[in-house]
Amino acid sequence: DQQVKQNSPSLSVQEGRISILNCDYTNSMFDYFLWYKKYPAEGPTFLISISSIKDKNEDGRFTVFLNKSAKHLSLHIVPSQPGDSAVYFCAASPAGYGGATNKLIFGTGTLLAVQP
Amino acid sequence: DGGITQSPKYLFRKEGQNVTLSCEQNLNHDAMYWYRQDPGQGLRLIYYSQIVNDFQKGDIAEGYSVSREKKESFPLTVTSAQKNPTAFYLCASSIYGGNTEAFFGQGTRLTVV
Repeated sequence: DQQVKQNSPSLSVQEGRISILNCDYTNSMFDYFLWYKKYPAEGPTFLISISSIKDKNEDGRFTVFLNKSAKHLSLHIVPSQPGDSAVYFCAASPAGYGGATNKLIFGTGTLLAVQP
Repeated sequence: DGGITQSPKYLFRKEGQNVTLSCEQNLNHDAMYWYRQDPGQGLRLIYYSQIVNDFQKGDIAEGYSVSREKKESFPLTVTSAQKNPTAFYLCASSIYGGNTEAFFGQGTRLTVV
């Protein structure tokens, strides 16, 4: 049973527009969430994270929103750039582990394509 | 430059053979991890090590073995007991403790022929 779900395998967006990547989770005990970005033939790199005590975290063009009641988080990229084209993984960590890597549950990823 | 290096990038193995994937890091991280990625699935944790000479099973450890004799190195052996070894394998490291991002290598694609 997939505890972290990214229901959109792919997303295509025009350059300059907003990209919204979604992630749903089923375990209400998750309390720390991360987004990783992966280019082809490279390993994932950390992008942004959020703790369940917050509902928003912003870092430059990237903002993550957390809706605990809906068990939903989203990553907004504004404005989108062609270099953002990659696979984006969300990951969640159970409570009490502070987002420890060995406790992360990863989603299946969403392939974002930003068209020039 | 500091980083994490996996080798080889592509690996072919005959059925029934053991094969070892290399992972080296010079980030001075205490913790290291091995993940497996299959099409349509998220990353799944195979093994992790939080300190030299100690390691723990992850969610899918069967058919795999690891060692952690040095802080910098965490090799993964895919044994003949692993029923579906063809996959993309990722190694990662992090500062031991929570709320710290993991740094990933470029991965090794293993194909059983």
